[in-house]
Amino acid sequence: QLSESGGGLIQPGGSLRLSCVASGFTFVNYAMSWVRRAPGKGLEWLSDIDGSGRRTDYADSVKGRFTISRDNLNNMLYLQMNSLRAEDTAVYYCVLAGAFDFWGQGTQVTVSS
Amino acid sequence: AIQMTQSPSSLSASVGDRVTITCRASQDIRNYLGWYQQKPGKAPRLLISAASNLQTGVPSRFSGSGSGTDFTLTISSLQPEDFATYYCLQNFNSPYTFGQGAKLEIK
Repeated sequence: QLSESGGGLIQPGGSLRLSCVASGFTFVNYAMSWVRRAPGKGLEWLSDIDGSGRRTDYADSVKGRFTISRDNLNNMLYLQMNSLRAEDTAVYYCVLAGAFDFWGQGTQVTVSS
Repeated sequence: AIQMTQSPSSLSASVGDRVTITCRASQDIRNYLGWYQQKPGKAPRLLISAASNLQTGVPSRFSGSGSGTDFTLTISSLQPEDFATYYCLQNFNSPYTFGQGAKLEIK
């Protein structure tokens, strides 16, 4: 099971950190991803991280602004989001990477003044 | 980045109809293609992985086919609970990319 938290209303230019707690599987064995769906738009892959946390990858739309990380001791995945823009408004999902077969319920992020 | 072009972007159909949604990749992705169903307010649900592998618990009326650049999701006999938005995803290489979605509505 995956469960996200940390979303909310934030002003443009602000920062937010999303968290995802994993349970029911051996977290360290799996790469993880973040995916979002903006209102009226489709799904967009944002970032992933390997099981060790040493390898990360980002979509161009968030590279340099967002940072993915993980805490394998506590089965946690994070997404640090800086320099937020209105177009970052979306529901953010934590996803088991690879086959993208398990998803959290999502957390809403709204960037607005 | 690999572009995924889905068609149609929306369609209306009736319960019992056979429906086909296609996805075309801008380059060869072998069979690294998944199909997802998303309903309003819910997370996407993986229906089919590796182009044609039906996930556990997914009704057999769903099927997937294709390889290389052209892929198809077929629903053999639409049920009321199938009205949703469907996405394809290429997980061949990063950046992983989704199709733009196909919204399936009741006629």
